Amino acid sequence: GAVVSQHPSRVICKSGTSVKIECRSLDFQATTMFWYRQFPKQSLMLMATSNEGSKATYEQGVEKDKFLINHASLTLSTLTVTSAHPEDSSFYICSARDLLSADTQYFGPGTRLTVL
Amino acid sequence: GQQLNQSPQSMFIQEGEDVSMNCTSSSIFNTWLWYKQDPGEGPVLLIALYKAGELTSNGRLTAQFGITRKDSFLNISASIPSDVGIYFCAGQTGAGGTSYGKLTFGQGTILTVHP
Repeated sequence: GAVVSQHPSRVICKSGTSVKIECRSLDFQATTMFWYRQFPKQSLMLMATSNEGSKATYEQGVEKDKFLINHASLTLSTLTVTSAHPEDSSFYICSARDLLSADTQYFGPGTRLTVL
Repeated sequence: GQQLNQSPQSMFIQEGEDVSMNCTSSSIFNTWLWYKQDPGEGPVLLIALYKAGELTSNGRLTAQFGITRKDSFLNISASIPSDVGIYFCAGQTGAGGTSYGKLTFGQGTILTVHP
């Protein structure tokens, strides 16, 4: 089956630093990947849609300069949390859409970000 | 924006019992999906529904895409301890525009199964 990986799985950083999270589709090509944020005991909230070779589309209320997204290849999208603050601490999950599998979205295992 | 109302929020059941949960929407979706999420992990797709009225099974799981395209339910029969987790419904928009392929998630149903 389609596999999506994320790296790192956990990261702890100091306030003010930037953190990069990678999302890879391992056995399929994904022209579109999505980035979600999930707070404890809450649902997934879509942050942005990442399109290969073009700018990401951000959801209302999500700061594009704060959450930088790059989708440089058909198998890799990165999310960079710039100048992280404690309120950015959350579970970040990506998904990748497999165009050859009825547009099914497969999710990565998530990245737990803790900003001290 | 689009909203999904998922119920119940939580369920506590005995092993062997059947479970039912549902989602309703204020707007139409082209695809309904059901995911299960274990703590600290990403959601795993359980069932995908693509046509209004469609009834699909996956082992002990059965889900239906409502005829109005605004609702869906998931049934789990003969629950077992490993069914524990959070279940999410999600509606997916259809082709066209910048919203293509976006998922809107329900609030989740926390399932606890007592042995």
